[in-house]
Amino acid sequence: GDSVTQMEGPVTLSEEAFLTINCTYTATGYPSLFWYVQYPGEGLQLLLKATKADDKGSNKGFEATYRKETTSFHLEKGSVQVSDSAVYFCALRLGRDDKIIFGKGTRLHILP
Amino acid sequence: DARVTQTPRHKVTEMGQEVTMRCQPILGHNTVFWYRQTMMQGLELLAYFRNRAPLDDSGMPKDRFSAEMPDATLATLKIQPSEPRDSAVYFCASVRGGGSSMNTEAFFGQGTRLTVV
Repeated sequence: GDSVTQMEGPVTLSEEAFLTINCTYTATGYPSLFWYVQYPGEGLQLLLKATKADDKGSNKGFEATYRKETTSFHLEKGSVQVSDSAVYFCALRLGRDDKIIFGKGTRLHILP
Repeated sequence: DARVTQTPRHKVTEMGQEVTMRCQPILGHNTVFWYRQTMMQGLELLAYFRNRAPLDDSGMPKDRFSAEMPDATLATLKIQPSEPRDSAVYFCASVRGGGSSMNTEAFFGQGTRLTVV
């Protein structure tokens, strides 16, 4: 079935470090891909998205590129801040049934 | 600023009691999701609707959970009877659905934190 796999957390980094959170997917079809972020006590909010192969989504210094050949959508940021501490979810959406499937989430801690 | 509204934000109830959670989707969004979030299982899809009709509720325990959309502005999730293992945060999300809209994102409410004691 359709699924999303992302790296286990928690991930702990120092401020200004480089961040990568891996995400791979399995889908029968051609999904749209998303990264959502969840801050403590809040719902999920969209961070960035990509809708076709080789698209790059970007927002707030975060980037992810839709790689169809490796079925991946890894999240990267060149220099993280303490305020980036949150849980990050990779997700896919298929047009045939509107279902949105999430990975288990990766908790990120940034140390000052 | 359009948003998904969930009520209540917090609910503490005794085992065996009925719990009803409500969600008001964003106006114009015709697809509504219910998710449950726990530390162990992450974010689980319980059920979702398009144009008020249930599309998939296979993630929901049928014996005690029920989800409905009485109208386009209200989605409800009920648990009867509630059990301690139902303690979790329940999120509602809405999106404009249909094949041509597959690249649009879902908007989430702030969740209902349920504690069953």
